[in-house]
Amino acid sequence: AQKVTQAQTEISVVEKEDVTLDCVYETRDTTYYLFWYKQPPSGELVFLIRRNSFDEQNEISGRYSWNFQKSTSSFNFTITASQVVDSAVYFCALGGTSYDKVIFGPGTSLSVIP
Amino acid sequence: SAVISQKPSRDICQRGTSLTIQCQVDSQVTMMFWYRQQPGQSLTLIATANQGSEATYESGFVIDKFPISRPNLTFSTLTVSNMSPEDSSIYLCSVEGGDRSYEQYFGPGTRLTVT
Repeated sequence: AQKVTQAQTEISVVEKEDVTLDCVYETRDTTYYLFWYKQPPSGELVFLIRRNSFDEQNEISGRYSWNFQKSTSSFNFTITASQVVDSAVYFCALGGTSYDKVIFGPGTSLSVIP
Repeated sequence: SAVISQKPSRDICQRGTSLTIQCQVDSQVTMMFWYRQQPGQSLTLIATANQGSEATYESGFVIDKFPISRPNLTFSTLTVSNMSPEDSSIYLCSVEGGDRSYEQYFGPGTRLTVT
């Protein structure tokens, strides 16, 4: 069965601190896709990144970076120099080989305090 | 990317009534997905809707409660039938990236409150 775990329910940091959001996944598929989404207080879901299982290169996009490690089934997300606008719920998600659905983790609520 | 709109954006409904939520996409897509997000919870897939075929429902969701239509490649509806307060949630429509990029885009959601 596919499963996504985000052990951190809530995180609170002071502005400009770095913060890492953990994501651990379970799947029996050899080909799969991992995602991160941001849901700010306004409610809309914002797509951040997709990574397929064959690409373990870390990715950096501005203040955001992602660390994908198949050996530990983890796909962690780091925000560098956090800002108040980063306050949101962040969801890690897993997509199957046929891409017929995406399984979401429970989410991590991040609060960045000015 | 795909631009998705949903109607209504929010509604307050009485117990026992039904509400139909519309999802419109600005491009043709093969697969459309309907998710539910209960208060303070994560997203749960209700069903997958392909044009021209019956929707495929996930465990715990049934067609009688959540009938779905998919008349063409840019439009779908989800009906929440015989509502109870437990149906109070945000309902989101989602589509895959049209270029098979496996990105998945979400509509703004419909915030439903059942009293």
